[in-house]
Amino acid sequence: EVKLVESGGGLVQPGRSLKLSCAASGFSFNDYWMGWVRQAPGKGLEWIGEINQDSSTINYTPSLKDKFTISRDNAQNTLYLQMSKLGSEDTAIYYCARSMGITFDFWGPGTMVTVSS
Amino acid sequence: DTVLTQSPALAVSPGERVTISCRASESVSTLMHWYQQKPGQQPKLLIYLASNLESGVPARFSGSGSGTDFTLTIDPVEADDTATYYCQQSWNDPLTFGSGTKLEIK
Repeated sequence: EVKLVESGGGLVQPGRSLKLSCAASGFSFNDYWMGWVRQAPGKGLEWIGEINQDSSTINYTPSLKDKFTISRDNAQNTLYLQMSKLGSEDTAIYYCARSMGITFDFWGPGTMVTVSS
Repeated sequence: DTVLTQSPALAVSPGERVTISCRASESVSTLMHWYQQKPGQQPKLLIYLASNLESGVPARFSGSGSGTDFTLTIDPVEADDTATYYCQQSWNDPLTFGSGTKLEIK
């Protein structure tokens, strides 16, 4: 069974950094692109970016490219999202998802990040 | 960025046929996909490449369209289909999602 579990969310002060993790199991992690998508409270889905199998290609949505960094550890079957200079606009549920290159076929339950003083 | 426009909400009765539309601001060929998100849950892939049913998704769901106009159809609708439905394109960079259509079952 494919399973994705995000962790690392919580309350963080404006301007601070936070690193999210996504533990994958039930499939060959190093065979797939992986991505991050976020959803602000009561809002729609926003693609953050995705990373290929060997981390040689990482794509970001332009508005977040200078704030967020995606990485992965294939030995640990784990995907990461490093977020910096956080503001209230970054308050959201953050989902990791398995990418098929054009779609996301499995999603984790998400981890909530709240940016507030 | 490619903007995907969806109607905000629809309400239908069980057993009816419902169509949910998604219009792209520029052509996305057939690289349009649909997701279902139930309250408090993560999104679930329903349809990929405009008309292909994801494994395990009931055949009541179908998709059509190409270019800029796409449709997700549920026929017949069941009470369990209460959810928000999102379209997503992957033809143009960056990948974008529609704002979602909230489906209420009366």
